[in-house]
Amino acid sequence: QKEVEQDPGPLSVPEGAIVSLNCTYSNSAFQYFMWYRQYSRKGPELLMYTYSSGNKEDGRFTAQVDKSSKYISLFIRDSQPSDSATYLCAMKAGNTPLVFGKGTRLSVIA
Amino acid sequence: EPEVTQTPSHQVTQMGQEVILRCVPISNHLYFYWYRQILGQKVEFLVSFYNNEISEKSEIFDDQFSVERPDGSNFTLKIRSTKLEDSAMYFCASSELTGGNYGYTFGSGTRLTVV
Repeated sequence: QKEVEQDPGPLSVPEGAIVSLNCTYSNSAFQYFMWYRQYSRKGPELLMYTYSSGNKEDGRFTAQVDKSSKYISLFIRDSQPSDSATYLCAMKAGNTPLVFGKGTRLSVIA
Repeated sequence: EPEVTQTPSHQVTQMGQEVILRCVPISNHLYFYWYRQILGQKVEFLVSFYNNEISEKSEIFDDQFSVERPDGSNFTLKIRSTKLEDSAMYFCASSELTGGNYGYTFGSGTRLTVV
């Protein structure tokens, strides 16, 4: 089983839709969970981070972590064409390096 | 906003040649990292560096790779004898701390093409 699994998509939604992006993981030691956004040929840009289980909201973005299910989600409300990018989940345990999912490519159509 | 700067943005090299990829991390960050992303694949950890030494490395980071912080600002990745399969985007990242809820700040990457 891969350490972090993420559906690569592509995912195409109309402008204004609610987008749900998800990752599952196998390492129960992971405590820190992040979502990065990556535009084509650019570096990953940190969007959200969460410690342990729970929800975190920042504007149109909500991150959820369910450690009991080893499942994390990112919701984007009122999606915009500028949200079109690849979204990477990433996670780490304490002092270990950040481990990434493969990324989900999202297109928001105007 | 502080950023991680990487140079060059694109490097083309012949197989067997040495390349040095350069990074200037954020000035008050203490931990530095190199990741790579082969086209269409996930971002993969190569190495982490703290207090002038390697703190962790992956199985990808073999004897062909080395890292150095030659002065107070630069952080470099050297590949001694490049192979075709080294072609990838290489990302440098830095963080204030390695534990805690601190994300890494990534640079825009160097696209390495080995021909």
